[in-house]
Amino acid sequence: SQELEQSPQSLIVQEGKNLTINCTSSKTLYGLYWYKQKYGEGLIFLMMLQKGGEEKSHEKITAKLDEKKQQSSLHITASQPSHAGIYLCGADSNTGNQFYFGTGTSLTVIP
Amino acid sequence: DGGITQSPKYLFRKEGQNVTLSCEQNLNHDAMYWYRQDPGQGLRLIYYSQIVNDFQKGDIAEGYSVSREKKESFPLTVTSAQKNPTAFYLCASSTSDRRRGFSSTDTQYFGPGTRLTVL
Repeated sequence: SQELEQSPQSLIVQEGKNLTINCTSSKTLYGLYWYKQKYGEGLIFLMMLQKGGEEKSHEKITAKLDEKKQQSSLHITASQPSHAGIYLCGADSNTGNQFYFGTGTSLTVIP
Repeated sequence: DGGITQSPKYLFRKEGQNVTLSCEQNLNHDAMYWYRQDPGQGLRLIYYSQIVNDFQKGDIAEGYSVSREKKESFPLTVTSAQKNPTAFYLCASSTSDRRRGFSSTDTQYFGPGTRLTVL
């Protein structure tokens, strides 16, 4: 099975600071997804990356997929309390029969 | 509007009782999934189904059972054998184009979740 390791496991930052969350795969990624979740709520889809070197942005959140398609990073610029939650990366298996989630990163933003 | 519904939103169960969580989707998706989430942790796959009348165990299937009698419905039963059932349960669905071999352009759509508490 595919393993997705996220780092750091948890993160506490002061409002206004930038931060980066990493997602590393044990195998080549065929579709890499980033989600945000507040505990007890459904997941919010942020963005999806497919091609090596691809980068996408949504508001103050930018995600990149490296050229080798085994690592993705999520970068938040000028963090706000509304960014707090658990960030999950997810990936398709190469057969498309399963979907794997990362271990999760818990983000706290202190006002 | 198309979407996934889960019910109930909150569920309380006494120890030793079985309980069934509902998941319905009207997106015409072939594949459906059940995940469990514990506080501060990532999701873990319980069961998934790629097609009606077929389902597969995920990483933590012990103590759970599912059925897929209809395309729109994928109920999850948490049995008394599940040692630590208190958690947040998420259902998801996605298209599953077997002809392409993988669904790299498809994303999973999630329900609002059910919070199960065992008393």
